[in-house]
Amino acid sequence: DTGVSQDPRHKITKRGQNVTFRCDPISEHNRLYWYRQTLGQGPEFLTYFQNEAQLEKSRLLSDRFSAERPKGSFSTLEIQRTEQGDSAMYLCASSYSPRDFYEQYFGPGTRLTVT
Amino acid sequence: ELKVEQNPLFLSMQEGKNYTIYCNYSTTSDRLYWYRQDPGKSLESLFVLLSNGAVKQEGRLMASLDTKARLSTLHITAAVHDLSATYFCAVDKTGANNLFFGTGTRLTVIP
Repeated sequence: DTGVSQDPRHKITKRGQNVTFRCDPISEHNRLYWYRQTLGQGPEFLTYFQNEAQLEKSRLLSDRFSAERPKGSFSTLEIQRTEQGDSAMYLCASSYSPRDFYEQYFGPGTRLTVT
Repeated sequence: ELKVEQNPLFLSMQEGKNYTIYCNYSTTSDRLYWYRQDPGKSLESLFVLLSNGAVKQEGRLMASLDTKARLSTLHITAAVHDLSATYFCAVDKTGANNLFFGTGTRLTVIP
């Protein structure tokens, strides 16, 4: 079990460019979550998947944000036309849903800097 | 919207001392989680509290949950420098599928 992995770990982009981040969850976990964390704050929920179904996306920050999990394994988070306010740490987490609670295991995060 | 508040936000304490971090939340939940985050790193799960009166201990840290008061505490006993980190509590709102995090408590243990 290698834990949740994310790629890249750091991304610097210019305003207006599109970026895509990848998350690989723990292998037996069927739920996958995306969070955003800005400096000095706790993580803020964005969206989550159960298997390949995206069951909650109303908290995606704008229509520039989208996420996919096409085969129920890895997931991607895309931000189009990045803005400086998008600079943050993007965290992915996974959990195993038949449990009646949702202890989430977090990846190392992707730190995005928009210049 | 569920709100989770922690206090204090910043805590500087000497090695060997005891202290408690408080986590209040605004709506009914039976599940509360504590995480630790080191600077520039991701979150490490510390405790999962699943019922009223739950108490869990690991080393110098002990967490408890009072669902009636909507309060959880994280007690630090005889602090050591290695405990320096930011501690977050998070609540799993019943029926929702995501965690709501507090703003964190940044703990610095001074030798």
